Amino acid sequence: DSGVTQTPKHLITATGQRVTLRCSPRSGDLSVYWYQQSLDQGLQFLIQYYNGEERAKGNILERFSAQQFPDLHSELNLSSLELGDSALYFCASTTSGGWADTQYFGPGTRLTVL
Amino acid sequence: DQQVKQNSPSLSVQEGRISILNCDYTNSMFDYFLWYKKYPAEGPTFLISISSIKDKNEDGRFTVFLNKSAKHLSLHIVPSQPGDSAVYFCAASAGIDDMRFGAGTRLTVKP
Repeated sequence: DSGVTQTPKHLITATGQRVTLRCSPRSGDLSVYWYQQSLDQGLQFLIQYYNGEERAKGNILERFSAQQFPDLHSELNLSSLELGDSALYFCASTTSGGWADTQYFGPGTRLTVL
Repeated sequence: DQQVKQNSPSLSVQEGRISILNCDYTNSMFDYFLWYKKYPAEGPTFLISISSIKDKNEDGRFTVFLNKSAKHLSLHIVPSQPGDSAVYFCAASAGIDDMRFGAGTRLTVKP
């Protein structure tokens, strides 16, 4: 158990819909990272937050957005969903937000878009 | 744009033997490299890392080798154990804005 929690575990929805994925970092960690893992693909970095502020942006689509709240939990919002958005979405947390920090990953949310 | 490549999607090894997982990268600005292990239905777990100022880093049964001129890194597991069976991702970083992962190699260690 990494100490990072993600909800929900599974999500099934239809094209065009909007969903919100939630991540709670390890106690004491200030930084949250979001990743997408599509079928047969490696992990794709989406976005990083540190202490409530966006720190780094990766291959995140404009239809996707994220935020980190004062209690440090983070939400990833996916809108106008397409079939290709079906994937595993992971969040990870680190203490200080540096890329050399060990990232502790949550168990992931499996999103299926029908 | 695949800046980090793991060309072997799978690898099968006998228990007790050496497992060698390979990773190639194209961006010469990468200066920090990591390996993650992932079991089914779990998130990736950090395994071992190496910075570009080193060419080897060892942690127990796991050793990562970095060949900067060839833009190649490898993870050696000796001796391999059935519990090592998992998907292994390599990752490379060029600072806070750029972290890329390979597609993963599924390692199966047979008893």
